[in-house]
Amino acid sequence: DIVMTQTPLSLSVTPGQPASISCKSSQSLLHSDGKTYLYWYLQKPGQPPQLLIYEVSNRFSGVPDRFSGSGSGTDFTLKISRVEAEDVGVYYCMQSIQLPPLTFGGGTKVEIK
Amino acid sequence: EVQLVESGGGVVQPGGSLRLSCAASGFTFDDYAMHWVRQAPGKGLEWVSLISGDGGSTYYADSVKGRFTISRDNSKNSLYLQMNSLRTEDTALYYCAKDIRALGVAPDYWGQGTLVTVSS
Repeated sequence: DIVMTQTPLSLSVTPGQPASISCKSSQSLLHSDGKTYLYWYLQKPGQPPQLLIYEVSNRFSGVPDRFSGSGSGTDFTLKISRVEAEDVGVYYCMQSIQLPPLTFGGGTKVEIK
Repeated sequence: EVQLVESGGGVVQPGGSLRLSCAASGFTFDDYAMHWVRQAPGKGLEWVSLISGDGGSTYYADSVKGRFTISRDNSKNSLYLQMNSLRTEDTALYYCAKDIRALGVAPDYWGQGTLVTVSS
C-alpha cells in the first residue's frame, strides 16, 4: 500500500498569515495517463470532509483561491495564502493511483492563534 | 445540489451484522462510482470500499475484505454496505461519498455519516 506522510501534525496560524502543509507519498503518484492522483481534503469540526484540491493543483468547485496545491512525483504541498477563521480543521492528503486501497495521510490540524 | 444521507448505523455485538444505506440525490447516480469511508472516534480517515457506477466493479480494504459487501441499486439511487462478522475495531462513523468519476478516482461529496458501534 502507498503510505502518505503529512507534516506538520498541527499548525497554529495568525489570521491573514500564510500556511503550508506537506504531504509525501511512498511511491510516485504520476500515472501513465499523465495525471497525478493526489487530492486534498479539509474536515472542519463536526463536519464530513470536503474536497479542496484534485490532481495536485485543481481547486474543486467553490473553493476559495487562497487555497493552492503544488508538487509532483512524491512530494506535494497545500498552501493557504491568507488563513481565515473558517479554515480551521484537519487537512488530509489522499492518493488514488493505486486502488485498492485509497490511502489518506494522517492529517494536519490547523488552528487559529 | 448533491445530497447523500446515510442510515442504518447502531450498536451491535461483536460477530453481529449491520446493513448501512445511503440515499443519493442531486446528480445522475449511475454516472458515478461511490465509496464508503470510515473514521474511528478521534482518528483519521480510512477508506473502506468502492463500487463503480454500473455496479460491475467492487474494491475493498484488506481490513474488511470477506466481511463487508458493497452494492448499489441504481433504480433507487441507493448505496449499501452489508457488514458481517463485526469486530470492535469496526467502530466508526461511516461516510458515504460520491466519486468524481464513474470508475472510481476520488470522493468529492460526502454525507454526514452514520455511527456504528461494535461492543458487548
